[in-house]
Amino acid sequence: NAGVTQTPKFQVLKTGQSMTLQCAQDMNHEYMSWYRQDPGMGLRLIHYSVGAGITDQGEVPNGYNVSRSTTEDFPLRLLSAAPSQTSVYFCASSWDPNNEKLFFGSGTQLSVL
Amino acid sequence: DQQVKQNSPSLSVQEGRISILNCDYTNSMFDYFLWYKKYPAEGPTFLISISSIKDKNEDGRFTVFLNKSAKHLSLHIVPSQPGDSAVYFCAATGPFGNEKLTFGTGTRLTIIP
Repeated sequence: NAGVTQTPKFQVLKTGQSMTLQCAQDMNHEYMSWYRQDPGMGLRLIHYSVGAGITDQGEVPNGYNVSRSTTEDFPLRLLSAAPSQTSVYFCASSWDPNNEKLFFGSGTQLSVL
Repeated sequence: DQQVKQNSPSLSVQEGRISILNCDYTNSMFDYFLWYKKYPAEGPTFLISISSIKDKNEDGRFTVFLNKSAKHLSLHIVPSQPGDSAVYFCAATGPFGNEKLTFGTGTRLTIIP
């Protein structure tokens, strides 16, 4: 059982470039979310989805887009990368929006130069 | 404004002794609390949780205590083992459903053999 799979594990971008972080889960979870982890800041919610076709903003959504065309996939798009987006990104999922026990992917370490 | 605070960035404990990790919160609407454990290069994994209707929850070597009047919770690990060396995140959420988790900044626990 793969759980939550994130790709790539590492990425280096130049300022202004765009890219998509991929996230897929095989547990048929309705709820999926993206977090970023920064030193001294904990995990902060970027965007989340309560089901296919439904997305909403979290605490720090600026500079990021998401879509949820299937239950399994929840990609995160950086429109024009900035150094402030250098971070570790985690995708997470759970059975439903009210279930706080999240399953996390292993993370993507992103550096923007 | 950090609503969930873990004031100790790091903690070192001898193997076999008790590890106590602390977490304070400011939002009185929080009513469900979780601890996640994170190893390097992996995503966080759920460890233990507690609802505000309880003041203690136990799972094997792990016990979480909640003091609502002080807005404080703690995670006790007894006895501590080398495999417990990790970063521990406290998280909290409110009562209205579809609430998103608010994470603390984490405490790095090192168990000394």
